[in-house]
Amino acid sequence: GESVGLHLPTLSVQEGDNSIINCAYSNSASDYFIWYKQESGKGPQFIIDIRSNMDKRQGQRVTVLLNKTVKHLSLQIAATQPGDSAVYFCAENRWGNNRLAFGKGNQVVVIP
Amino acid sequence: GAVVSQHPSWVICKSGTSVKIECRSLDFQATTMFWYRQFPKQSLMLMATSNEGSKATYEQGVEKDKFLINHASLTLSTLTVTSAHPEDSSFYICSARDASGGEETQYFGPGTRLLVL
Repeated sequence: GESVGLHLPTLSVQEGDNSIINCAYSNSASDYFIWYKQESGKGPQFIIDIRSNMDKRQGQRVTVLLNKTVKHLSLQIAATQPGDSAVYFCAENRWGNNRLAFGKGNQVVVIP
Repeated sequence: GAVVSQHPSWVICKSGTSVKIECRSLDFQATTMFWYRQFPKQSLMLMATSNEGSKATYEQGVEKDKFLINHASLTLSTLTVTSAHPEDSSFYICSARDASGGEETQYFGPGTRLLVL
Protein backbone atom coordinates (compact mmCIF):
# COMPACT_ATOMS: atom_id res chain seq x y z
CA GLY A 1 0.00 0.00 0.00
CA GLU A 2 0.94 3.62 -0.09
CA SER A 3 2.25 5.76 2.72
CA VAL A 4 -0.20 6.65 5.46
CA GLY A 5 -0.11 9.19 8.22
CA LEU A 6 1.45 12.59 8.42
CA HIS A 7 4.56 11.83 10.39
CA LEU A 8 7.68 10.68 8.66
CA PRO A 9 10.27 8.78 10.66
CA THR A 10 13.03 11.25 11.31
CA LEU A 11 16.73 10.63 11.70
CA SER A 12 18.74 13.44 13.22
CA VAL A 13 22.44 13.11 12.59
CA GLN A 14 25.43 15.24 13.44
CA GLU A 15 27.33 16.64 10.50
CA GLY A 16 30.22 14.39 9.68
CA ASP A 17 28.67 11.27 11.18
CA ASN A 18 27.40 8.35 9.13
CA SER A 19 23.68 7.91 8.47
CA ILE A 20 21.79 4.68 8.01
CA ILE A 21 18.28 4.69 6.59
CA ASN A 22 16.24 1.52 6.54
CA CYS A 23 13.45 0.27 4.36
CA ALA A 24 11.37 -2.89 4.45
CA TYR A 25 9.72 -4.15 1.30
CA SER A 26 6.92 -6.62 1.02
CA ASN A 27 7.15 -8.29 -2.36
CA SER A 28 9.70 -11.08 -2.51
CA ALA A 29 9.35 -11.02 -6.31
CA SER A 30 10.81 -7.50 -6.55
CA ASP A 31 14.10 -7.59 -8.37
CA TYR A 32 15.22 -3.98 -8.61
CA PHE A 33 15.52 -1.41 -5.85
CA ILE A 34 16.27 2.29 -5.90
CA TRP A 35 16.93 4.97 -3.34
CA TYR A 36 15.70 8.48 -4.06
CA LYS A 37 16.37 11.74 -2.24
CA GLN A 38 13.68 14.40 -2.18
CA GLU A 39 14.36 17.91 -1.01
CA SER A 40 11.49 20.13 0.02
CA GLY A 41 9.39 21.25 -2.95
CA LYS A 42 11.39 19.25 -5.47
CA GLY A 43 11.06 16.01 -7.34
CA PRO A 44 12.87 12.84 -6.23
CA GLN A 45 16.50 12.58 -7.23
CA PHE A 46 18.07 9.22 -8.06
CA ILE A 47 20.82 8.24 -5.62
CA ILE A 48 21.69 4.61 -6.16
CA ASP A 49 20.12 1.36 -7.28
CA ILE A 50 20.71 -2.33 -6.77
CA ARG A 51 19.50 -5.50 -8.40
CA SER A 52 18.38 -8.57 -6.52
CA ASN A 53 21.42 -10.57 -7.62
CA MET A 54 23.59 -8.28 -5.49
CA ASP A 55 23.66 -7.61 -1.77
CA LYS A 56 25.80 -4.50 -1.72
CA ARG A 57 26.57 -1.64 -4.02
CA GLN A 58 28.65 1.44 -3.40
CA GLY A 59 28.49 4.89 -4.87
CA GLN A 60 30.01 8.19 -3.94
CA ARG A 61 29.58 8.45 -0.14
CA VAL A 62 26.59 6.11 -0.32
CA THR A 63 26.22 2.36 0.04
CA VAL A 64 23.08 0.32 -0.46
CA LEU A 65 22.67 -3.03 1.24
CA LEU A 66 20.05 -5.57 0.27
CA ASN A 67 18.98 -8.47 2.47
CA LYS A 68 16.54 -10.54 0.49
CA THR A 69 16.05 -13.05 3.29
CA VAL A 70 14.31 -10.51 5.48
CA LYS A 71 13.26 -8.19 2.64
CA HIS A 72 15.26 -5.28 3.95
CA LEU A 73 17.07 -2.48 2.19
CA SER A 74 19.32 0.12 3.74
CA LEU A 75 21.11 3.24 2.60
CA GLN A 76 24.30 4.32 4.30
CA ILE A 77 25.56 7.86 3.85
CA ALA A 78 29.13 8.47 4.90
CA ALA A 79 30.24 11.76 6.46
CA THR A 80 26.78 13.28 6.32
CA GLN A 81 26.67 16.88 5.16
CA PRO A 82 24.02 19.60 5.59
CA GLY A 83 23.08 19.14 1.94
CA ASP A 84 22.03 15.59 2.73
CA SER A 85 19.04 16.89 4.70
CA ALA A 86 16.02 15.60 2.80
CA VAL A 87 13.42 12.86 2.70
CA TYR A 88 14.74 9.55 1.43
CA PHE A 89 12.50 7.04 -0.29
CA CYS A 90 13.21 3.48 -1.23
CA ALA A 91 11.40 2.12 -4.26
CA GLU A 92 11.00 -1.37 -5.61
CA ASN A 93 10.28 -2.53 -9.11
CA ARG A 94 7.93 -5.44 -8.97
CA TRP A 95 8.56 -8.35 -11.25
CA GLY A 96 6.22 -8.48 -14.22
CA ASN A 97 5.55 -4.79 -14.51
CA ASN A 98 7.43 -1.56 -14.84
CA ARG A 99 5.81 0.35 -12.01
CA LEU A 100 7.78 1.57 -9.04
CA ALA A 101 6.31 1.13 -5.57
CA PHE A 102 7.59 3.70 -3.10
CA GLY A 103 8.19 3.24 0.59
CA LYS A 104 6.96 5.68 3.18
CA GLY A 105 10.03 7.89 3.34
CA ASN A 106 12.50 8.82 6.03
CA GLN A 107 13.36 12.38 6.94
CA VAL A 108 17.04 13.04 7.55
CA VAL A 109 17.97 16.18 9.45
CA VAL A 110 21.64 17.05 9.57
CA ILE A 111 22.70 19.06 12.59
CA PRO A 112 25.62 21.40 11.84
CA GLY B 1 22.02 13.50 -18.87
CA ALA B 2 18.59 12.08 -17.96
CA VAL B 3 16.91 15.41 -17.27
CA VAL B 4 13.16 15.66 -16.97
CA SER B 5 11.37 18.99 -16.89
CA GLN B 6 7.86 19.98 -15.90
CA HIS B 7 5.83 23.03 -16.72
CA PRO B 8 4.47 24.92 -14.96
CA SER B 9 6.26 24.57 -11.66
CA TRP B 10 3.24 25.87 -9.83
CA VAL B 11 -0.28 26.90 -10.72
CA ILE B 12 -3.22 28.42 -8.91
CA CYS B 13 -6.62 28.05 -10.50
CA LYS B 14 -10.28 28.48 -9.72
CA SER B 15 -12.50 25.55 -8.97
CA GLY B 16 -14.06 24.14 -12.12
CA THR B 17 -11.27 25.07 -14.49
CA SER B 18 -8.88 22.68 -16.19
CA VAL B 19 -5.14 22.68 -15.79
CA LYS B 20 -2.56 21.13 -18.11
CA ILE B 21 0.85 20.03 -16.86
CA GLU B 22 3.65 19.14 -19.26
CA CYS B 23 6.43 16.64 -18.69
CA ARG B 24 9.41 16.53 -21.02
CA SER B 25 12.46 14.34 -21.23
CA LEU B 26 15.17 16.73 -22.37
CA ASP B 27 18.04 14.53 -23.44
CA PHE B 28 16.57 11.11 -23.97
CA GLN B 29 13.55 9.45 -25.47
CA ALA B 30 10.95 8.04 -23.16
CA THR B 31 8.44 5.53 -24.45
CA THR B 32 7.01 5.39 -20.96
CA MET B 33 6.35 8.19 -18.53
CA PHE B 34 4.67 8.04 -15.17
CA TRP B 35 2.48 10.50 -13.28
CA TYR B 36 2.46 10.65 -9.50
CA ARG B 37 0.80 12.82 -6.93
CA GLN B 38 2.14 13.53 -3.51
CA PHE B 39 0.43 14.98 -0.47
CA PRO B 40 2.44 16.71 2.28
CA LYS B 41 4.56 14.38 4.38
CA GLN B 42 3.49 11.40 2.31
CA SER B 43 5.02 9.16 -0.28
CA LEU B 44 4.50 9.29 -4.01
CA MET B 45 1.34 7.68 -5.29
CA LEU B 46 1.37 6.43 -8.85
CA MET B 47 -1.61 7.74 -10.79
CA ALA B 48 -1.00 6.40 -14.27
CA THR B 49 1.51 5.09 -16.75
CA SER B 50 1.73 7.08 -19.95
CA ASN B 51 2.65 5.13 -23.06
CA GLU B 52 3.76 6.87 -26.23
CA GLY B 53 1.25 6.35 -28.99
CA SER B 54 -1.28 4.45 -26.91
CA LYS B 55 -3.69 4.94 -24.07
CA ALA B 56 -2.49 5.53 -20.56
CA THR B 57 -2.86 2.86 -17.92
CA TYR B 58 -4.52 4.19 -14.79
CA GLU B 59 -4.09 2.92 -11.27
CA GLN B 60 -7.09 1.71 -9.35
CA GLY B 61 -9.14 4.56 -7.98
CA VAL B 62 -7.78 7.18 -10.39
CA GLU B 63 -10.47 8.64 -12.64
CA LYS B 64 -9.27 8.60 -16.22
CA ASP B 65 -11.86 11.15 -17.30
CA LYS B 66 -10.68 13.55 -14.66
CA PHE B 67 -6.97 13.11 -15.19
CA LEU B 68 -6.43 13.10 -18.93
CA ILE B 69 -3.05 11.91 -20.13
CA ASN B 70 -1.61 12.36 -23.58
CA HIS B 71 1.79 11.03 -24.63
CA ALA B 72 2.07 12.55 -28.06
CA SER B 73 5.78 12.10 -28.64
CA LEU B 74 8.79 10.30 -27.22
CA THR B 75 9.73 13.35 -25.18
CA LEU B 76 6.41 14.80 -24.05
CA SER B 77 3.54 13.68 -21.86
CA THR B 78 0.77 15.93 -20.58
CA LEU B 79 -1.56 15.57 -17.64
CA THR B 80 -4.76 17.60 -17.69
CA VAL B 81 -6.72 17.93 -14.48
CA THR B 82 -10.25 18.58 -15.69
CA SER B 83 -12.80 20.51 -13.69
CA ALA B 84 -10.37 20.90 -10.84
CA HIS B 85 -11.62 21.03 -7.27
CA PRO B 86 -9.84 21.98 -4.05
CA GLU B 87 -9.27 18.31 -3.19
CA ASP B 88 -7.17 18.05 -6.37
CA SER B 89 -4.65 20.43 -4.84
CA SER B 90 -1.44 18.49 -4.60
CA PHE B 91 2.12 18.11 -5.84
CA TYR B 92 2.13 16.38 -9.21
CA ILE B 93 5.36 14.73 -10.31
CA CYS B 94 6.20 12.98 -13.54
CA SER B 95 8.98 10.57 -14.27
CA ALA B 96 10.41 9.09 -17.42
CA ARG B 97 12.33 5.96 -18.13
CA ASP B 98 15.19 6.03 -20.56
CA ALA B 99 14.43 2.98 -22.63
CA SER B 100 17.74 2.97 -24.50
CA GLY B 101 20.01 0.17 -23.36
CA GLY B 102 17.24 -1.45 -21.35
CA GLU B 103 17.54 0.89 -18.37
CA GLU B 104 14.91 0.65 -15.70
CA THR B 105 15.75 3.75 -13.74
CA GLN B 106 13.06 6.40 -13.61
CA TYR B 107 14.15 10.01 -13.61
CA PHE B 108 11.83 12.50 -12.04
CA GLY B 109 10.77 15.98 -12.95
CA PRO B 110 10.86 18.83 -10.43
CA GLY B 111 7.12 18.61 -9.78
CA THR B 112 4.16 20.92 -10.26
CA ARG B 113 2.35 22.32 -7.28
CA LEU B 114 -1.35 22.78 -7.95
CA LEU B 115 -3.58 24.87 -5.74
CA VAL B 116 -7.28 24.93 -6.56
CA LEU B 117 -9.23 27.71 -4.91
